[in-house]
Amino acid sequence: GESVGLHLPTLSVQEGDNSIINCAYSNSASDYFIWYKQESGKGPQFIIDIRSNMDKRQGQRVTVLLNKTVKHLSLQIAATQPGDSAVYFCAEPTGNQFYFGTGTSLTVIP
Amino acid sequence: EPEVTQTPSHQVTQMGQEVILRCVPISNHLYFYWYRQILGQKVEFLVSFYNNEISEKSEIFDDQFSVERPDGSNFTLKIRSTKLEDSAMYFCASRLGLAGYNEQFFGPGTRLTVL
Repeated sequence: GESVGLHLPTLSVQEGDNSIINCAYSNSASDYFIWYKQESGKGPQFIIDIRSNMDKRQGQRVTVLLNKTVKHLSLQIAATQPGDSAVYFCAEPTGNQFYFGTGTSLTVIP
Repeated sequence: EPEVTQTPSHQVTQMGQEVILRCVPISNHLYFYWYRQILGQKVEFLVSFYNNEISEKSEIFDDQFSVERPDGSNFTLKIRSTKLEDSAMYFCASRLGLAGYNEQFFGPGTRLTVL
């Protein structure tokens, strides 16, 4: 089956620093990826997506990088704020199913 | 901004009892989903629903589970005879379904506790 995972279960950063959260996937045929943010007690919230015909996509304070050669994607958060503290998942749709990684818990230290 | 809603927020039940978790997807969305998340674990796909029928389901979604769209707004997940291991957060999600719109919008979840 599909496998989507993350390198680090926890990440702590100082407020104002940049954060980088990584994700690896196994299906080389995957052509679409989404990053979700899940705050405590809430459902996953869409952050940004990227298609496999792109290497990079930027949003507001977030950038997703896709390296298809090593099947790796990363989420970069610029100037991390306390409100960014959450668990971050990468998700890989396959057909009509979405596979989620195990998540990285980001803690922002004021 | 339209959002997915779920009720109840917390459901406590005895093992062997039936539970129905309710969701109201975003009104113009065409695809509907149920996921579960056991405490401390990743979000797991259960089932997807389109055009009034199940389009895909995972191995978790066995005969104890069923889904229904009883009217134009609600989307329900029924667990016929709950087990202790069914205790989890259950998330409903919906997706517009048009080409290029693949984002799923998630509800706040229902925490199911089976005693």
